[in-house]
Amino acid sequence: GNSVTQMEGPVTLSEEAFLTINCTYTATGYPSLFWYVQYPGEGLQLLLKATKADDKGSNKGFEATYRKETTSFHLEKGSVQVSDSAVYFCALINSGYSTLTFGKGTMLLVSP
Amino acid sequence: EAEVAQSPRYKITEKSQAVAFWCDPISGHATLYWYRQILGQGPELLVQFQDESVVDDSQLPKDRFSAERLKGVDSTLKIQPAELGDSAMYLCASSLERTDTQYFGPGTRLTVL
Repeated sequence: GNSVTQMEGPVTLSEEAFLTINCTYTATGYPSLFWYVQYPGEGLQLLLKATKADDKGSNKGFEATYRKETTSFHLEKGSVQVSDSAVYFCALINSGYSTLTFGKGTMLLVSP
Repeated sequence: EAEVAQSPRYKITEKSQAVAFWCDPISGHATLYWYRQILGQGPELLVQFQDESVVDDSQLPKDRFSAERLKGVDSTLKIQPAELGDSAMYLCASSLERTDTQYFGPGTRLTVL
């Protein structure tokens, strides 16, 4: 079956630090990969996505590259802000299917 | 920008009571999903609709949960009777078609006392 593994949080950083949140996956076929962000008390917002190997998704300074050889989709940002504090979810959908499989989420806390 | 609407945002109920949640997807989106998110976990699919038809309800506890999307637009998820273990965030999402990107609503936070 499909599964997504994320690094455990919380990840605590100072403002302007470099961010990496690791995500690896197990799937049959060729999945599409997503990062969603959830701010406190809110629903999930799509942050970025990649649909095939070597694609790079990017949005709001965040980026992630679909690495098929390492089955990874790590999230990075060069300089985090306090407003980036949230829970980040890595997810996949297998080709031809529509069920999202989520990781457990990684909380990011950014201090001034 | 179009959004998925959900109501209520918060619901507190006692066990054995009935509760209902409402979702209005983005206009034109044929596929609608209900997810349950337990605190500290990722969302898990409960039921998926394509227009007015259920295409996946394999994870829906059918003895107490029901969902409908009568006209293929908005949807209602009901729990009767509610149990303590049902306390969670209930998220609705929609997509243009089944394999397109899913967009989520703000969720309904349910607390069962």
